[in-house]
Amino acid sequence: GQNIDQPTEMTATEGAIVQINCTYQTSGFNGLFWYQQHAGEAPTFLSYNVLDGLEEKGRFSSFLSRSKGYSYLLLKELQMKDSASYLCAVREVAGKGNLIFGKGTKLSVKP
Amino acid sequence: NAGVTQTPKFRILKIGQSMTLQCTQDMNHNYMYWYRQDPGMGLKLIYYSVGAGITDKGEVPNGYNVSRSTTEDFPLRLELAAPSQTSVYFCASSLPDRVGDSSPLHFGNGTRLTVT
Repeated sequence: GQNIDQPTEMTATEGAIVQINCTYQTSGFNGLFWYQQHAGEAPTFLSYNVLDGLEEKGRFSSFLSRSKGYSYLLLKELQMKDSASYLCAVREVAGKGNLIFGKGTKLSVKP
Repeated sequence: NAGVTQTPKFRILKIGQSMTLQCTQDMNHNYMYWYRQDPGMGLKLIYYSVGAGITDKGEVPNGYNVSRSTTEDFPLRLELAAPSQTSVYFCASSLPDRVGDSSPLHFGNGTRLTVT
């Protein structure tokens, strides 16, 4: 079956670093995605990992371990505008395109 | 470049009514999708299409229908609205994915539907 787990909520302080974990069990694997979704808005693409290791994009980094079915999103130098939900998603099969989403982690950044 | 455009933004339906949620994209993406998002739940795939004339069911297709007559448009039809269909509906599009390619989904701004 398909299962993508991530914490429901997290709180962090402005300027700090936060790590959002995601574990997955899917029948296939063709990449893991992280999306950001502000309240009342559409999800927007943050990062993609298909090989093991770390991908860095400015203040955001994403890590993947395929053998462990595990990923994390690392946010550095947190800003108030980073308060949002962060969605972990897996593409099971190449050629269909669709993603399976976790329930999302709501991050609150406090001053 | 408008990206993915959804209409309407909001709608209230009575039980048993029907409606069509419109979705159009101007990025020449072959692949299009319909997801619904309920509070505390992840996005669930309703239907998807890999090209004009081709559609396929996702995880939660019951109560919905789609068509794909052009590359740009992918409308979602609700025939007999039920309270369980109260949700936020997102349309998305992407390039065809190949092994190792990201081909991320680009989402529209959503349609907030209430069925009472």
